[in-house]
Amino acid sequence: NAGVMQNPRHLVRRRGQEARLRCSPMKGHSHVYWYRQLPEEGLKFMVYLQKENIIDESGMPKERFSAEFPKEGPSILRIQQVVRGDSAAYFCASSPSEGLGYGYTFGSGTRLTVV
Amino acid sequence: AQSVTQLGSHVSVSEGALVLLRCNYSSSVPPYLFWYVQYPNQGLQLLLKYTTGATLVKGINGFEAEFKKSETSFHLTKPSAHMSDAAEYFCAVRNTNFGNEKLTFGTGTRLTIIP
Repeated sequence: NAGVMQNPRHLVRRRGQEARLRCSPMKGHSHVYWYRQLPEEGLKFMVYLQKENIIDESGMPKERFSAEFPKEGPSILRIQQVVRGDSAAYFCASSPSEGLGYGYTFGSGTRLTVV
Repeated sequence: AQSVTQLGSHVSVSEGALVLLRCNYSSSVPPYLFWYVQYPNQGLQLLLKYTTGATLVKGINGFEAEFKKSETSFHLTKPSAHMSDAAEYFCAVRNTNFGNEKLTFGTGTRLTIIP
């Protein structure tokens, strides 16, 4: 059973370009969480999604960032018109159900560098 | 709002010595508590968690943590450090409400093992 798969592992974008980060949850998991880790900082919650629904996007920047988790296919975190401050590691986690305190499984992350 | 404080961003211990990583939380009600470990350029791996029941929790790799409600603490310990324990450790909390499993992380403690 494969774990949470994130790709690409490393992504370099020039300022103003778009970045698309993909996350395939573990088999049987229908809940996806995205976190951002800035250098020398802990992880900060961005968004929580279920299939075709955004449940909590309280941690998402108001502009340029969006997320989706379609009925088929991976969850996508999209950053438009990237800036240097978007350089960070972005982690996805998945869980099988909501609110049962299992903890969830993290992917290995996508490290975004904006040049 | 919940918060997590990890005292000591860097901790060094000798191989074979006791490891103690401190975590204090702030929450209106006792939360669920987690410790994660992150090796360089990798995702986070769950070490252990406290949800209910016994306040001394045993995890993987010989680590354990004790939930102390009166002290709002959840310190991580290991009796004898091993070189392979060198990594970054994150304490995290979430509320116990059914539903959103959003985590709030501390800023991390980088553990160095001295040969």
